[in-house]
Amino acid sequence: GAGVSQSPSNKVTEKGKDVELRCDPISGHTALYWYRQSLGQGLEFLIYFQGNSAPDKSGLPSDRFSAERTGGSVSTLTIQRTQQEDSAVYLCASSLEGLHNEQFFGPGTRLTVL
Amino acid sequence: GENVEQHPSTLSVQEGDSAVIKCTYSDSASNYFPWYKQELGKRPQLIIDIRSNVGEKKDQRIAVTLNKTAKHFSLHITETQPEDSAVYFCAASHTGGFKTIFGAGTRLFVKA
Repeated sequence: GAGVSQSPSNKVTEKGKDVELRCDPISGHTALYWYRQSLGQGLEFLIYFQGNSAPDKSGLPSDRFSAERTGGSVSTLTIQRTQQEDSAVYLCASSLEGLHNEQFFGPGTRLTVL
Repeated sequence: GENVEQHPSTLSVQEGDSAVIKCTYSDSASNYFPWYKQELGKRPQLIIDIRSNVGEKKDQRIAVTLNKTAKHFSLHITETQPEDSAVYFCAASHTGGFKTIFGAGTRLFVKA
């Protein structure tokens, strides 16, 4: 079946502009995660959605970052007033609820802020 | 806050040798410990995981050990092959759906 998809695959923007990154999780997966991966670095947790529960936003680096998950499916990560340090690959992952916690990652969105 | 430390950051081995990557975690409530492999330019993929009710798990050339008392867990790859070259990430979380904290990654080079 279809895996996790993300769009766009690449985004180049100017400093100060807002960007929206989209994630389509695997159908039926109730958990959705956003991570940021800077060049050659690890996976930095940003935000986590689980079903209808309030999201865990503890990883968001500043109030310029926000995310929504509409209808328990598609998620959008929004970065306002982008800065050069926001440049990174943004990865989305989804998983089933319960004991099966394997996270399936999307291909990522490479964000470049000029 | 929760933290996962991973060592070494880089590991170079000769083909056929073993490789060991170690992680420690801070949240004593963590009970699920996955390992992900990320090849160059690709997305991370789960290679093995272990839950807190067991101390060791094997899958062919890969094994993971867990010491809950010391809050340590390790990945062991035996008979390494060039295609094992990648970045490996350990992680810790709770089952039932909670955020996952990843280690910083280990870049493994297997020399032919």
